[in-house]
Amino acid sequence: AQKITQTQPGMFVQEKEAVTLDCTYDTSDPSYGLFWYKQPSSGEMIFLIYQGSYDQQNATEGRYSLNFQKARKSANLVISASQLGDSAMYFCAMREGSTNAGKSTFGDGTTLTVKP
Amino acid sequence: KAGVTQTPRYLIKTRGQQVTLSCSPISGHRSVSWYQQTPGQGLQFLFEYFSETQRNKGNFPGRFSGRQFSNSRSEMNVSTLELGDSALYLCASSLAAGIGLAGANVLTFGAGSRLTVL
Repeated sequence: AQKITQTQPGMFVQEKEAVTLDCTYDTSDPSYGLFWYKQPSSGEMIFLIYQGSYDQQNATEGRYSLNFQKARKSANLVISASQLGDSAMYFCAMREGSTNAGKSTFGDGTTLTVKP
Repeated sequence: KAGVTQTPRYLIKTRGQQVTLSCSPISGHRSVSWYQQTPGQGLQFLFEYFSETQRNKGNFPGRFSGRQFSNSRSEMNVSTLELGDSALYLCASSLAAGIGLAGANVLTFGAGSRLTVL
């Protein structure tokens, strides 16, 4: 069964520093996608970055990069040059390609607090 | 481009009542999925609809149901409300063309419907 594990309930980072949010996953499907979403205190979920299981390179989107280690089944989110506006809950999610059509499984989330 | 619209945003019900939540996806998105978010259980998948067909359902009792209309708008219904149903209900839409197309599988979420059951 697909499963996402985020082991860091809360993280603190100093403004302008980089931070890594951990995510491990479990699936037997060779085709899958990994996603990171941000949920500010306002509640609306915002897509940040995507990594496909067959992608050879790590995904990057501006200050966000995904450290994808397929053999270890990890997909850590790296935020560079943290900003105060990055303070939010971050969710790692997975969507399997050939099974569980339409279903995304989310981790429990990590609350990131950026300190000035 | 309009986003995902959920109505109502807030509602208060009492135990035993039923509630219907609505979700209008982004134009062109044929997949609509629903999630329940609570502090204790996190984000739990409820169900997903694609072209009016339910493709997948999470581990929720039969009191939770949904449907999708021909214009891709979706509704979910919870009957015989219990205190534990108090949650933020999130709707998300996507193109859902297949896992190989990254952008097609990104979920765009609505602002949610916050349900309080008294």
